[in-house]
Amino acid sequence: GENVEQHPSTLSVQEGDSAVIKCTYSDSASNYFPWYKQELGKGPQLIIDIRSNVGEKKDQRIAVTLNKTAKHFSLHITETQPEDSAVYFCAASETSYDKVIFGPGTSLSVIP
Amino acid sequence: DTGVSQDPRHKITKRGQNVTFRCDPISEHNRLYWYRQTLGQGPEFLTYFQNEAQLEKSRLLSDRFSAERPKGSFSTLEIQRTEQGDSAMYLCASSLVGGPRYEQYFGPGTRLTVT
Repeated sequence: GENVEQHPSTLSVQEGDSAVIKCTYSDSASNYFPWYKQELGKGPQLIIDIRSNVGEKKDQRIAVTLNKTAKHFSLHITETQPEDSAVYFCAASETSYDKVIFGPGTSLSVIP
Repeated sequence: DTGVSQDPRHKITKRGQNVTFRCDPISEHNRLYWYRQTLGQGPEFLTYFQNEAQLEKSRLLSDRFSAERPKGSFSTLEIQRTEQGDSAMYLCASSLVGGPRYEQYFGPGTRLTVT
């Protein structure tokens, strides 16, 4: 089955700096790669996603890249703000409707 | 759109007791998922429904676990003879297959503590 690895497990950045989280997956059948943000006491919330036929996608301060050959994908957050502090999960799935396999998470702290 | 709701939000039970959780998906969402999340880990898939049909179950869903979605709307997850290892956050999500927004929307979860 699919296995998603993620690093770093914790990340601390100064406000205004960039944050990068990297993930790998194992199953070539995966074609959908969502990223979730989870705040304390809440369920995960989708912040951006990318499909296998796209190499890069950007939404304001957030960008994701995908290298399907190497089975790597990454999240980039620019101009970080204190409200970006949360746990971020990368994930993989065959389609957006199928079960999602999550990575172990990255706890991001943005220091004002 | 009131979001996915789960009840209760917290449950403390003694080992060996049965517990039942409820999930109300976003109205008209036809797919409903259950995940389990332990402290410091990512959510793990348990099972999902398309309308009232249970389409897939994870190996994590032992015989003590049963999930239903009797009318294709709300769903229940029951754990029989709870064990301390069942302590976790149980998350429900829903999505609309064929709709304009395909993402899975997660509820706030039910935190189970087995003493």
